[in-house]
Amino acid sequence: NAGVTQTPKFRVLKTGQSMTLLCAQDMNHEYMYWYRQDPGMGLRLIHYSVGEGTTAKGEVPDGYNVSRLKKQNFLLGLESAAPSQTSVYFCASSYSLGGGGYEQYFGPGTRLTVT
Amino acid sequence: DAKTTQPTSMDCAEGRAANLPCNHSTISGNEYVYWYRQIHSQGPQYIIHGLKNNETNEMASLIITEDRKSSTLILPHATLRDTAVYYCIAYPRNTDKLIFGTGTRLQVFP
Repeated sequence: NAGVTQTPKFRVLKTGQSMTLLCAQDMNHEYMYWYRQDPGMGLRLIHYSVGEGTTAKGEVPDGYNVSRLKKQNFLLGLESAAPSQTSVYFCASSYSLGGGGYEQYFGPGTRLTVT
Repeated sequence: DAKTTQPTSMDCAEGRAANLPCNHSTISGNEYVYWYRQIHSQGPQYIIHGLKNNETNEMASLIITEDRKSSTLILPHATLRDTAVYYCIAYPRNTDKLIFGTGTRLQVFP
């Protein structure tokens, strides 16, 4: 199993450009998540999905959109990139929400710089 | 959600036990204690979790005090590869939010 994979690994954007980050998982997980991590900080939840065709807002959703057209894929879009979106983006997946044994599995991250 | 408090950094000699403390004095009865670690900007990795009882797996042990207000993650024989940031998280059932604080940076030295 590849686990959780993310594409691309690195990207540099100019202010105002758009891009899509792709997350894929091969563990048949229902739940998928997008986080961002700024230097020296913990991770913050952007958006998440509880199943194919569903999405929900997390802690810091502004400036991002997501789609979950297939169970194994979760896309994060930046319509008009801003320097404040320079960060490392992590995707994760899990069998279910919450505590009780449903740990999240994380991808390797995408390092995005917006100039 | 309960807030957790961890020391900013700790050192540990290779081969010795690393004991990482976490305070969660406002934890509620339905909140699990989870530990993750992040090695050098990689994606976080799940280590262990518990509710009331102490837990052990192939990676670590988790000791939760009887009043559940604090816990300790124990790496029994730390190696250089255990150098990482360790996050203690209080995680309710049926919630979407893993709230990561800033964690404890553990440095294992030879």
